[in-house]
Amino acid sequence: AQSVTQLDSHVSVSEGTPVLLRCNYSSSYSPSLFWYVQHPNKGLQLLLKYTSAATLVKGINGFEAEFKKSETSFHLTKPSAHMSDAAEYFCVVRAMNYGGSQGNLIFGKGTKLSVKP
Amino acid sequence: KAGVTQTPRYLIKTRGQQVTLSCSPISGHRSVSWYQQTPGQGLQFLFEYFSETQRNKGNFPGRFSGRQFSNSRSEMNVSTLELGDSALYLCASKSFSAQGDRTGELFFGEGSRLTVL
Repeated sequence: AQSVTQLDSHVSVSEGTPVLLRCNYSSSYSPSLFWYVQHPNKGLQLLLKYTSAATLVKGINGFEAEFKKSETSFHLTKPSAHMSDAAEYFCVVRAMNYGGSQGNLIFGKGTKLSVKP
Repeated sequence: KAGVTQTPRYLIKTRGQQVTLSCSPISGHRSVSWYQQTPGQGLQFLFEYFSETQRNKGNFPGRFSGRQFSNSRSEMNVSTLELGDSALYLCASKSFSAQGDRTGELFFGEGSRLTVL
C-alpha cells in the first residue's frame, strides 16, 4: 500500500533563508509524487510533480523537489523564502489500484510554513 | 478559462439534516474528485467520477454519496449529518493527457466549508 509521511507539522523560517519541507513515501510501485500548496481559505494548487522522468523536479514560485529512491524521499526546497510562501504544503502520492491502474491521491498530513520578516 | 467552482462556499446545518454540495469542473474536464479536509484527519479521498460513473471510492460510510451529470458537473450528498462531518469539502477536476492518468494534474476549487451544530 502507498503512504506518505511529512516529517514536520510546522516549519518556521526567516524571509530570505532556505526552505526545506521533508517528505518520505512508501510505495510498492514506481510512484507518482506531488507537492501541493494551500493558502488560507483557498483550494490546493499544484507546485510540482514527479512521474519517473528527471529526479530533480522544478515547480512554480522557485520551488523544487528531488526524488531519491534509495531514501524514499521527496523533499521540497526553495533557496530563499518569501513572505508569500507562508501556507500549508502537502506531499502526495498516487495510489495504485488492484490490477495496477492509477488510483486516487493520498495526502500527507501537511506542513505549515511560517515566514518571519 | 474559469476554474473549479464550488457552491455554496459556507453553510451551517444541524445534526440529522442532509446537505448537497455542488461542483462545476473546468470546461472540458471529465473527471471530478471529492475530498474531505479536517484538522484531525487531514485530506481524505471521498470518491472520483468520470463520465457519470464512479471510478474510485474512499473509506467513508454510505451516508456520503455523489453523482456526476452529463455536463460533468458533480454533486455530493451527506445524509443524517453528524458533528464529525464538519469539514472543508474540496472538489477537484482533471483532464486526461495523451499519456493517460499518470500526468493528469488535479485542479482544486476553493471548497465548501460545512459546519454541523
